Amino acid sequence: NAGVTQTPKFRVLKTGQSMTLLCAQDMNHEYMYWYRQDPGMGLRLIHYSVGEGTTAKGEVPDGYNVSRLKKQNFLLGLESAAPSQTSVYFCASSPAGWRVLGYGYTFGSGTRLTVV
Amino acid sequence: AQSVTQLDSQVPVFEEAPVELRCNYSSSVSVYLFWYVQYPNQGLQLLLKYLSGSTLVKGINGFEAEFNKSQTSFHLRKPSVHISDTAEYFCAVLGGSYIPTFGRGTSLIVHP
Repeated sequence: NAGVTQTPKFRVLKTGQSMTLLCAQDMNHEYMYWYRQDPGMGLRLIHYSVGEGTTAKGEVPDGYNVSRLKKQNFLLGLESAAPSQTSVYFCASSPAGWRVLGYGYTFGSGTRLTVV
Repeated sequence: AQSVTQLDSQVPVFEEAPVELRCNYSSSVSVYLFWYVQYPNQGLQLLLKYLSGSTLVKGINGFEAEFNKSQTSFHLRKPSVHISDTAEYFCAVLGGSYIPTFGRGTSLIVHP
């Protein structure tokens, strides 16, 4: 099925460990985003990409790195996990520019990460 | 700059009652507005959107929203809710950029 696929769906990390979350979309969307969702905080943008090979910081980028080597994939990395990074992470994609108004944003089903 | 305020973090309501979820926005330019719904343990799905034209927008599952430019609001309504409408609802705004800003969400809890 077309859409945004996130792996893994669940993960438990120890403080200081590293990991990479993978987001893959098959809709040929130019833009991709990583959000974190915390109770009472809504969705906060971590990083985003407006095209292959580009990345930009969002609202809460500290402690995360991203890469977009291929148009269909957007990776989110945690180099040294901290308990404050316990959250649900969502990836989203959209067409570029004015076309996003008609299509909206397509979200993955999320990755639930716990850092102990 | 753009921002969104969802005035209620939680809205409890009985089944078949009407409901209104409030959303106010701020932007220095013309805006496009969206409502998304998130069912438990799922990602967000587009419920409806306002781009231009009629200020009353109809979406899926019987929801509608009204754009009020003078009050900078985009409230979501449904005349009769069902248990299955229990979910988190997010209002989002697009202003000068194509990166949306989401509100903090409103949890709609429908009681039998």
